[in-house]
Amino acid sequence: EAQVTQNPRYLITVTGKKLTVTCSQNMNHEYMSWYRQDPGLGLRQIYYSMNVEVTDKGDVPEGYKVSRKEKRNFPLILESPSPNQTSLYFCASTPRGSLLRDTQYFGPGTRLTVL
Amino acid sequence: QKEVEQNSGPLSVPEGAIASLNCTYSDRGSQSFFWYRQYSGKSPELIMSIYSNGDKEDGRFTAQLNKASQYVSLLIRDSQPSDSATYLCAVNPGNTGNQFYFGTGTSLTVIP
Repeated sequence: EAQVTQNPRYLITVTGKKLTVTCSQNMNHEYMSWYRQDPGLGLRQIYYSMNVEVTDKGDVPEGYKVSRKEKRNFPLILESPSPNQTSLYFCASTPRGSLLRDTQYFGPGTRLTVL
Repeated sequence: QKEVEQNSGPLSVPEGAIASLNCTYSDRGSQSFFWYRQYSGKSPELIMSIYSNGDKEDGRFTAQLNKASQYVSLLIRDSQPSDSATYLCAVNPGNTGNQFYFGTGTSLTVIP
């Protein structure tokens, strides 16, 4: 089954404790992206990757890191989480590097709470 | 100024009516426009995409694009209770081709 998977689905952590949220797609998509979704603010892009070893900042990259060592995986790293990073996170992937006409396929989401 | 703006709602329509959802965007060079549906606690899923001025129909859904007015809308005909969800407008500006901008979403409730 073609899908985007994220782990963990739910995470409660404490301020400053490094964490990684994994994202994997089995559709051989070139483009992958991370979003956070907050009430009243909608979906905001954190980072995206056009292909392996190519990553770029989105609108809200502060406090996050990403890497793209393999085409299928795009982990989101929070080196020192803070309470303002409490949010619902979505990973998404798109077939080709050219996005003009491609939809994004979203993972199931990761609900993160930072105490 | 936000890239993409939507009325947050909530919008309530009776079953069988037409629901009209609206979205405006700020980048006049934007080229691709998408409507996603998101049920509570779930991930967004694509309903419609549109790239050219005019209407695009798919079943009960019609997307309308007016680039001169920087306006894109989604009409849902014969609304069903199962259409109750939040609808997200997304825009790819096209100048970079690499980023997506989402509106905050419009909450729709279809009343049986």
